[in-house]
This record gives sequence, C-alpha cells and structure tokens, in this order.
Amino acid sequence: GENVEQHPSTLSVQEGDSAVIKCTYSDSASNYFPWYKQELGKGPQLIIDIRSNVGEKKDQRIAVTLNKTAKHFSLHITETQPEDSAVYFCAAILFQGAQKLVFGQGTRLTINP
Amino acid sequence: DTAVSQTPKYLVTQMGNDKSIKCEQNLGHDTMYWYKQDSKKFLKIMFSYNNKELIINETVPNRFSPKSPDKAHLNLHINSLELGDSAVYFCASSFRGNTIYFGEGSWLTVV
Repeated sequence: GENVEQHPSTLSVQEGDSAVIKCTYSDSASNYFPWYKQELGKGPQLIIDIRSNVGEKKDQRIAVTLNKTAKHFSLHITETQPEDSAVYFCAAILFQGAQKLVFGQGTRLTINP
Repeated sequence: DTAVSQTPKYLVTQMGNDKSIKCEQNLGHDTMYWYKQDSKKFLKIMFSYNNKELIINETVPNRFSPKSPDKAHLNLHINSLELGDSAVYFCASSFRGNTIYFGEGSWLTVV
C-alpha cells in the first residue's frame, strides 16, 4: 500500500522567514496530494492541494510543488507569521474504488516572534 | 453551521465499557470516514462509508463497529474499551473523491 514519509518532524523558524516541509510517497498511482494544518485541539484543515497533472500551485503565502518522477512534494510557507504555528500534515490519495487518504507523520512548525 | 460535527468532544471512561461517538455532516457529501490519531499525532484511516455502504475497513479490532444510518451520519461504537483505545477520533466526509473535510475530533480517554 501507499506510504508517505514527511520531514522534518519539528521545524522552528523566525517570524518573516520561510518554512519548507517535504514529503515522499511510494505509490506512483497516487494522484492527489493535500496538505492539512492542525491547530491545538482542532481537526485537520485543508490549506492547499495539488493534483498529479500540475507541478506547482500557489495560494498567497503558501505554495506546493510536486515532482512525480521523484515522487516527492513540498509545502512552502513564505513570510511566516505566529498564527502559522501548528502541526502540518501532507497526504496522498490512492484511489482504488475508494478514497484512502494516507498521511505523513506530521511536522510541528513553530514561528518565533 | 458546523460542516462536520461529532459528539462528544471529550469522553473519559473505564476499561471494559462500551461507548459511541456520533458524527453528522451537512455538506451533502456521499462518503464519510473515521480516522484515529494516536498520542504521536499519527493519523490513520479506520473506516469509510459511501452512500451508507462500507467501502474501507482497515485492520481494526472488531470491537469497533461503524454504523451509517444515512448518508449524513456515521457513528462509531466501541465495545469492551481498552487502554490502548485512548486517542482522538476524527470523523470526515467528502464528495465523489474530492476534498476531505474533518470534524473537530473526539478525545477518548480510557482509564
């Protein structure tokens, strides 16, 4: 089955700097890659996603890149703010008649003021 | 107007008890899920229902029994609770393979 590896497990950056989180996936059939943000005491919330027919997608300060050949994708957050502090999860969907979202291990991002 | 709502949010119970967590979505989605998040924050799918039909059933002990009375509801019943069942359980939903939306979670503590 699909396996998603996410690095780093923790990341601390100064406010205003950029943060990058990287993920690799194992199944070349996966074709949808969402990123979720989970704040303390809350459920995961989708922040951006990318499909396998696209190499890059941007939404304001957040961008995601996908390299299908290498089977890895990354989340980029620019001009970080204190409210960006949270746990971020990458995921990959393997569709086999049913949608099975496989998550990475999560990255705890801390923005230092 | 919460999209995916689950109750209770917190649940503390003794080993051996039976408990249920309820989930409802008002998004008109056709697929609902239960995910478990352990103490290390790892999220793993447990079950998925599409139009009330079970389509994903991961290697979950049969003490866990999901029930979907209709497309908008998916409940999780757990029998004979064990200490290792302590976790956060998330309900989620999606429509025709699109974005999956999560509820706020139910914190289960077994003592």
